Amino acid sequence: GAGVSQSPSNKVTEKGKDVELRCDPISGHTALYWYRQSLGQGLEFLIYFQGNSAPDKSGLPSDRFSAERTGGSVSTLTIQRTQQEDSAVYLCASSPSTSGAYFGPGTRLTVT
Amino acid sequence: GIQVEQSPPDLILQEGANSTLRCNFSDSVNNLQWFHQNPWGQLINLFYIPSGTKQNGRLSATTVATERYSLLYISSSQTTDSGVYFCAGGGADGLTFGKGTHLIIQP
Repeated sequence: GAGVSQSPSNKVTEKGKDVELRCDPISGHTALYWYRQSLGQGLEFLIYFQGNSAPDKSGLPSDRFSAERTGGSVSTLTIQRTQQEDSAVYLCASSPSTSGAYFGPGTRLTVT
Repeated sequence: GIQVEQSPPDLILQEGANSTLRCNFSDSVNNLQWFHQNPWGQLINLFYIPSGTKQNGRLSATTVATERYSLLYISSSQTTDSGVYFCAGGGADGLTFGKGTHLIIQP
């Protein structure tokens, strides 16, 4: 595909359930980022993968959040025991090592 | 980590006007970008501009790396330019975003 894809586009879940969000980066991009954006707010950094280096997890808000990137490509963000404050749009971006990041369309998560 | 400040936070202009958006960084960055978030939430990559000047149609950007700021210029604004403009900067530890400038272009 030409761009970053994310799935699902929308997810409604009940409080306490686990969710998995997927990101397919642009082929060949070494860096992958996860952000979240609450309604009307800026982008909150969550986690950053760069090549084979250990990911920068400094932005993960709690130990309920985890992410992995398999084979340097697809990434999955997992939220365990979801809470209502987890409701947001989760955005993924990828970039090559020498130029800018490109964002996917996001996953809108609603925790009821 | 670095801090990113954007100004102004809000801007309302008439169609056809020109505007300048500013982004200040607390530390030097080797990765600096401008994005436009359209009303549907999609983030569009406008410029990758760690230094120098670039132009793309009615938009241009200038980054003065030694003084840790970047400017985004929009000329002859159109209603489709409305949305939130974000700058983001960083280095080996990823991208930090500013809070954005909310631009409204009125017909």
